[in-house]
Amino acid sequence: QKEVEQNSGPLSVPEGAIASLNCTYSDRGSQSFFWYRQYSGKSPELIMFIYSNGDKEDGRFTAQLNKASQYVSLLIRDSQPSDSATYLCAVNNYGQNFVFGPGTRLSVLP
Amino acid sequence: NAGVMQNPRHLVRRRGQEARLRCSPMKGHSHVYWYRQLPEEGLKFMVYLQKENIIDESGMPKERFSAEFPKEGPSILRIQQVVRGDSAAYFCASSRSEVNTGELFFGEGSRLTVL
Repeated sequence: QKEVEQNSGPLSVPEGAIASLNCTYSDRGSQSFFWYRQYSGKSPELIMFIYSNGDKEDGRFTAQLNKASQYVSLLIRDSQPSDSATYLCAVNNYGQNFVFGPGTRLSVLP
Repeated sequence: NAGVMQNPRHLVRRRGQEARLRCSPMKGHSHVYWYRQLPEEGLKFMVYLQKENIIDESGMPKERFSAEFPKEGPSILRIQQVVRGDSAAYFCASSRSEVNTGELFFGEGSRLTVL
């Protein structure tokens, strides 16, 4: 059974701080990794994807992947109250379904 | 380019009735995924379909649930003889191809309430 694990939170950070969200996965064959943001009552929307080991930066967001440790993280710099949402980690292998973690609830305090 | 369209957005059924949820993927997308989400929980995979084929239905209960993605028309998730435990948000997502492993685009979801 392929599993994706995340801390459910809530993770509370003050406005302007760095929020660090973590995710581990069980399937060593996983090829691609995604972070989705979901506001309460809304559908998930993609923030970032990463395929290769290392860091990938996009604005205030940085995704980090370590395939040897089966670990992927998302850093949010200069956190804003509008970043308060549930962040879902998703893992995919070619030709197979996307497996989502349970999500981490982030609260950015003004 | 219209996004993933789901309908109905809200559906109320009494126990024992049937629920039928529809999903039209984004234009050019031939892969459809259905997920169920309970309040305060993550997305639980149900079924992955391509046109006229079920690729993976490992997350779908063996009884009462079925899904299809016909050559023409939307994908349909059907729940027969609904029970209260079926109350949830059902999200459909589409992608262009399995090789691309591009992002999933989600619909707004269908929220089923079973009375």
